[in-house]
Amino acid sequence: QKEVEQDPGPLSVPEGAIVSLNCTYSNSAFQYFMWYRQYSRKGPELLMYTYSSGNKEDGRFTAQVDKSSKYISLFIRDSQPSDSATYLCAMGGSYQLTFGKGTKLSVIP
Amino acid sequence: GAVVSQHPSWVICKSGTSVKIECRSLDFQATTMFWYRQFPKQSLMLMATSNEGSKATYEQGVEKDKFLINHASLTLSTLTVTSAHPEDSSFYICSAREPTGGPPEAFFGQGTRLTVV
Repeated sequence: QKEVEQDPGPLSVPEGAIVSLNCTYSNSAFQYFMWYRQYSRKGPELLMYTYSSGNKEDGRFTAQVDKSSKYISLFIRDSQPSDSATYLCAMGGSYQLTFGKGTKLSVIP
Repeated sequence: GAVVSQHPSWVICKSGTSVKIECRSLDFQATTMFWYRQFPKQSLMLMATSNEGSKATYEQGVEKDKFLINHASLTLSTLTVTSAHPEDSSFYICSAREPTGGPPEAFFGQGTRLTVV
């Protein structure tokens, strides 16, 4: 079993839809949980990170972590065409991160 | 957030030649930088961890003699792909973390697309 599993998609939604992106993991030692957005041919940019189980909200984005289920989610409300990108989850300890494969999202106007 | 600059953003080279990629932290000192490789539709694959003033730590399966890493200062790490071959064509990305002791917020460079012909 891979340490981090993420459905690569692609995922296509209409503008204004709520998007749900998910990752599962197997290493219970992971402490930090991050979401990155990567536009084509660009480096990833950090969207959000959480340290413990629970929810964290930032504008239209909400990150959820369920350590008991080893499951994390990123929700995007009122999705916009500019949200079209690949979203990567990443998690780890205080030093090294392990990345998911990324989910390619397209928001259709 | 912190800014990491990577150069060049793309490069085409002939098979057998060497290519150097630079990664700079612009507004902070990075004692540790990371080099990743990314194939299309694949995850970021950590190649090596670069520590300022010491030898890089390479991940299993990464040839250290082929991918030379130098971290000579707190703001600059370089990756040199030596004797490049077409199979080395890929997207290379560096990242750095601020030495705050807090969460591992990795700040990424823009990436370098290497094409070996």
